[in-house]
Amino acid sequence: SQQGEEDPQALSIQEGENATMNCSYKTSINNLQWYRQNSGRGLVHLILIRSNEREKHSGRLRVTLDTSKKSSSLLITASRAADTASYFCATDEAQKLVFGQGTRLTINP
Amino acid sequence: DAGVIQSPRHEVTEMGQEVTLRCKPISGHNSLFWYRQTMMRGLELLIYFNNNVPIDDSGMPEDRFSAKMPNASFSTLKIQPSEPRDSAVYFCASSLGSALPNTEAFFGQGTRLTVV
Repeated sequence: SQQGEEDPQALSIQEGENATMNCSYKTSINNLQWYRQNSGRGLVHLILIRSNEREKHSGRLRVTLDTSKKSSSLLITASRAADTASYFCATDEAQKLVFGQGTRLTINP
Repeated sequence: DAGVIQSPRHEVTEMGQEVTLRCKPISGHNSLFWYRQTMMRGLELLIYFNNNVPIDDSGMPEDRFSAKMPNASFSTLKIQPSEPRDSAVYFCASSLGSALPNTEAFFGQGTRLTVV
């Protein structure tokens, strides 16, 4: 099952610009996580936000969570070429870690 | 720690053959997940172990798929017999925590399976 749905499916921006990706989910959650996947590699955890948190920062990453709208957003500021990857949100649906389809982010130099 | 280790990295096999994928989780982690990734279906959770016990195998596609975790440091995913539609990248991930996934999961590099 796909709990989280990312939007947009693909995003292409210029280096230095900010990138925003959104995630919507259907059921109540205890936490939501964001992961990055470089081409041909495994997923790497970026940040976890709990249901009682509204915003969290980690370096150039900013995550927000709106449980009333069942949505989250991931903002990457001052993007770099190395940020080119697919980004996934994951929720704890029925004690399982369930991933969305991901957003493919391309940073153009 | 070397992280989650999967083997083999690539596997090409003929339809009907048995395939065994292996995973060594991070030492001390007590939760282990097997995922399958395809372009069409994205990341699908196949099975989830906690303290070596299968908690949820509802994602296992059919009886041809089986998974075991004989001890805390080793898990296998077996497909027998394999079919072309099983071609995908299979990921193993581990995490530290209770049955509820409330901590980050660490992924292996994956096994790219091609069934011809």
